[in-house]
Amino acid sequence: EDQVTQSPEALRLQEGESSSLNCSYTVSGLRGLFWYRQDPGKGPEFLFTLYSAGEEKEKERLKATLTKKESFLHITAPKPEDSATYLCAVQVRGGSEKLVFGKGTKLTVNP
Amino acid sequence: DTAVSQTPKYLVTQMGNDKSIKCEQNLGHDTMYWYKQDSKKFLKIMFSYNNKELIINETVPNRFSPKSPDKAHLNLHINSLELGDSAVYFCASSQVRAYGYTFGSGTRLTVV
Repeated sequence: EDQVTQSPEALRLQEGESSSLNCSYTVSGLRGLFWYRQDPGKGPEFLFTLYSAGEEKEKERLKATLTKKESFLHITAPKPEDSATYLCAVQVRGGSEKLVFGKGTKLTVNP
Repeated sequence: DTAVSQTPKYLVTQMGNDKSIKCEQNLGHDTMYWYKQDSKKFLKIMFSYNNKELIINETVPNRFSPKSPDKAHLNLHINSLELGDSAVYFCASSQVRAYGYTFGSGTRLTVV
């Protein structure tokens, strides 16, 4: 069964304190790995898609990387506005279009 | 211009009632989805429609019935609501073979 595990469940950082979120996955064949950001009371907002091991993508203070077993979301010098739940999801090759989500990491950045 | 819009945003109802949630997307996408997010924030797919055809139907009680009148709309009807149906329901859309979804802002369903 396709599975996505995110760690830690919650992370509290001071403003400017860089860190990484982890997403490990077990799938029969990876078509794409997605990172989303979800703010309270809102729907997930798309951040990145990664397709193959070694790929990296950046957006402002966020950088996503992918290996054959896991993905990392690196947050450099975070600000309080980066506080949100970060969701990782996989799409399986040869299957339907569905995304299988992890349970998310709730990030809190204190000023 | 909201890309994926859901109505209502909040729905409070009694056990045993029947209710519907509506979803519309103006992105021109050909695939639409319903996801359920439980109290632990875990998102799980329920249904998917591609060009009005049902393509994903996960293990969901048959009290839940999706309907897609056209490829821009996907509604969710729930019969005989139970306490365990309380959750946030998200509609999403995507273009087949173009990666990534766009999500709506969710409908918080509370069954009392």
